[in-house]
Amino acid sequence: NAGVTQTPKFQVLKTGQSMTLQCAQDMNHEYMSWYRQDPGMGLRLIHYSVGAGITDQGEVPNGYNVSRSTTEDFPLRLLSAAPSQTSVYFCASSRLQGRGNTIYFGEGSWLTVV
Amino acid sequence: QKEVEQDPGPLSVPEGAIVSLNCTYSNSAFQYFMWYRQYSRKGPELLMYTYSSGNKEDGRFTAQVDKSSKYISLFIRDSQPSDSATYLCAMSAEYRDDKIIFGKGTRLHILP
Repeated sequence: NAGVTQTPKFQVLKTGQSMTLQCAQDMNHEYMSWYRQDPGMGLRLIHYSVGAGITDQGEVPNGYNVSRSTTEDFPLRLLSAAPSQTSVYFCASSRLQGRGNTIYFGEGSWLTVV
Repeated sequence: QKEVEQDPGPLSVPEGAIVSLNCTYSNSAFQYFMWYRQYSRKGPELLMYTYSSGNKEDGRFTAQVDKSSKYISLFIRDSQPSDSATYLCAMSAEYRDDKIIFGKGTRLHILP
């Protein structure tokens, strides 16, 4: 059982470049989300989705786009990378109904923008 | 005042000791409380979940919620080197994942 799979694991971008972080889950979870984790800032929600075709903004959405065309996939697009987007990105998924607010996180994508 | 406060540590304790990790919060509407464990270069994983006040025990781990003091704790008994990780508290007022607020995490080192 793969759980939540993120690619790439590491990426270096130049300022102004665009890229897509891929995320896939095999647990048939309705809810998927992207967080960034920065030193001293904790985990902050970027975008989330409650199902295919439905996305919404989190706490820090600026500079990022998402789409949810299937239940399994939730890619995060950086439109024009900036040094402030240097961070560790985590994709996550969970069931909408059920006990425990159990969010399953991927292993992270380390992004450096130079 | 931030909604969730957590001492970043690092906290170093000898193997076998009892570890106490804590978070304070300001929003009295929070009623869902979680502890996540995050190993280095990995994603967080849910360790404990508590609804409202009280204690919950799972093996060597005990989660405690004191809503009157707006204070939650995670106790680890008989600590092991494998418990070395960052521990994130998290909480929300609604049963919605997009409303979960995470603490910044406490780095814990268990010394063999």
